[in-house]
Amino acid sequence: SQQGEEDPQALSIQEGENATMNCSYKTSINNLQWYRQNSGRGLVHLILIRSNEREKHSGRLRVTLDTSKKSSSLLITASRAADTASYFCATDSTGYSTLTFGKGTMLLVSP
Amino acid sequence: DGGITQSPKYLFRKEGQNVTLSCEQNLNHDAMYWYRQDPGQGLRLIYYSQIVNDFQKGDIAEGYSVSREKKESFPLTVTSAQKNPTAFYLCASTRFPTGQGAPGELFFGEGSRLTVL
Repeated sequence: SQQGEEDPQALSIQEGENATMNCSYKTSINNLQWYRQNSGRGLVHLILIRSNEREKHSGRLRVTLDTSKKSSSLLITASRAADTASYFCATDSTGYSTLTFGKGTMLLVSP
Repeated sequence: DGGITQSPKYLFRKEGQNVTLSCEQNLNHDAMYWYRQDPGQGLRLIYYSQIVNDFQKGDIAEGYSVSREKKESFPLTVTSAQKNPTAFYLCASTRFPTGQGAPGELFFGEGSRLTVL
């Protein structure tokens, strides 16, 4: 299946700094989504970006999508300790009615 | 409040036993999914269902079975044929289809952690 890959696998920053996570995928997509997972909990949807969009904002989140490079990035500005979690990208593709998730980036924000 | 409820949260199974994980949603969503999560491997799709009385295998369906007799319910049975069932299991749902025929935002339950003794 066309699994996305997040980079880096783990990221450690201080409160107030920005955090950037990247996602690469292999096949053409309709949409790309980002999710957050706190340890031992279910995933929570953060943002969906369509293949014809290049950038999308939601609060402190900024997502970019480059379909020519088959990649996306998630930027969290002014990070807080409460942002500590794992972040996953998920992709679909034409003809598929399911999402494929990457392995995630584990973000640690220290006070 | 609307949402997805998974139960039990923790489950212990002896080798050779079948166990059933419950997933119920009151969001009136059409599609439901079961994912398995192992440390460092992300989420892998087990089964999914887009309508009542119909379901499809995902990437790792061997050793699992499901049913979709009601729109609200999508239970997963982990059978004795599943060689390594210890994992975190996540159920999700979405309103389907979107305008592009692709799944939209998934709503997840809080997960069920299965341990084989």
